[in-house]
Amino acid sequence: NAGVTQTPKFRILKIGQSMTLQCTQDMNHNYMYWYRQDPGMGLKLIYYSVGAGITDKGEVPNGYNVSRSTTEDFPLRLELAAPSQTSVYFCASSHGTGAYEQYFGPGTRLTVT
Amino acid sequence: GDSVTQMEGPVTLSEEAFLTINCTYTATGYPSLFWYVQYPGEGLQLLLKATKADDKGSNKGFEATYRKETTSFHLEKGSVQVSDSAVYFCALSEGTSGSRLTFGEGTQLTVNP
Repeated sequence: NAGVTQTPKFRILKIGQSMTLQCTQDMNHNYMYWYRQDPGMGLKLIYYSVGAGITDKGEVPNGYNVSRSTTEDFPLRLELAAPSQTSVYFCASSHGTGAYEQYFGPGTRLTVT
Repeated sequence: GDSVTQMEGPVTLSEEAFLTINCTYTATGYPSLFWYVQYPGEGLQLLLKATKADDKGSNKGFEATYRKETTSFHLEKGSVQVSDSAVYFCALSEGTSGSRLTFGEGTQLTVNP
């Protein structure tokens, strides 16, 4: 049982390039989330999904896109990377809402130069 | 909107010292409250939670009590160990759409032998 896995662990992008951050969970959770963590700050929600085929924006969605074609996978797409997207990105999943625990992946450290 | 405020850090303690990390929140409804911990190079993991007023969450010697009257959820441990060195995040979930977690800024704890 691997939990939540993310790839890659590290990536350096040039301004204007695009990339996809991969996230997979093997717990059969309906809810999945993408957060970004900036230095000295808490995590901010980028996008979330309540099930396959259903996604919605979080607090900071600009510059990102997501899709959810399966229960297991929730990739995050960065289009036209900008220095402001330099951050650590975490994917998470949960069984339900409210008091349910969210399980986090190990993160992807992205630098845009 | 919802918000979480943690005490300013970082916090440095000697082994076996008493730990308190303050957390206060603002929410429109009746949120669930969480403490997540992030060890170096890892994703966040749930430390403890409380779902209603006066509930006490506890795990690994850490405790926090949901205080509705003071809108607080302070984290305490009677005797810290070097292995407790990590970043601690207070968070809340209203249980509404997407069950997003709203995080505090995080508090870096360093415990010296």
